[in-house]
Amino acid sequence: EIVMTQSPATLSVSPGERATLSCRASQSVSSNLAWYQQKPGQAPRLLIYGASTRATGIPARFSGSGSGTEFTLTISSLQSEDFAVYYCQQYNNWPPSYTFGQGTKLEIK
Amino acid sequence: QVQLVESGGGVVQPGRSLRLSCAASGFTFSSYAMHWVRQAPGKGLEWVAVISYDGSNKYYADSVKGRFTISRDNSKNTLYLQMNSLRAEDTAVYYCAREGITIFGDGLPPGLFDYWGQGTLVTVSS
Repeated sequence: EIVMTQSPATLSVSPGERATLSCRASQSVSSNLAWYQQKPGQAPRLLIYGASTRATGIPARFSGSGSGTEFTLTISSLQSEDFAVYYCQQYNNWPPSYTFGQGTKLEIK
Repeated sequence: QVQLVESGGGVVQPGRSLRLSCAASGFTFSSYAMHWVRQAPGKGLEWVAVISYDGSNKYYADSVKGRFTISRDNSKNTLYLQMNSLRAEDTAVYYCAREGITIFGDGLPPGLFDYWGQGTLVTVSS
């Protein structure tokens, strides 16, 4: 099983500042890496796939980078609605066996 | 608009069974693979199972293999998860999610979840 490890577990950032979240895979997943945002009491929402492609309707302040085993999600200028938990997910396996990171909670500083 | 509505959650004793349902609307259900993903209280996301658009292929996480069965009824636009031999560690909110690619190859790459339901809570406790 591919293990996804996110860091840090919690990130405290002020509104308007930049946030950088990391995700590491235990083996290469190529660019088959997605990021989801989850707010309290809500289902996750797809933000980024293919490591760097924004999903439909996702603002340009969200960007992703990386390939292989190291990935980054950057939020360029934090808005109040961006404070949430972020999960990375790999979808590189066949047969299907998708795994998520444990999440990074982005909180207001 | 796309809607996924889960039901069937509740409190169940260890070793017992429960069946979850997910009613889909707003899209051609029979054109998409569907998944179950769960989230234990205060924890992260765990993929559970996937079923192909026609129900012919099914895959499971090792943690539920042999105990859970995913199925679908395309005539009713409904996805199911039959959960047997439940354990305390199965306690979670269970989400159904649509895979974002059609049988025609339109949409996202395979393995991505583009729409999710709001989830149904399953609590396994004596």
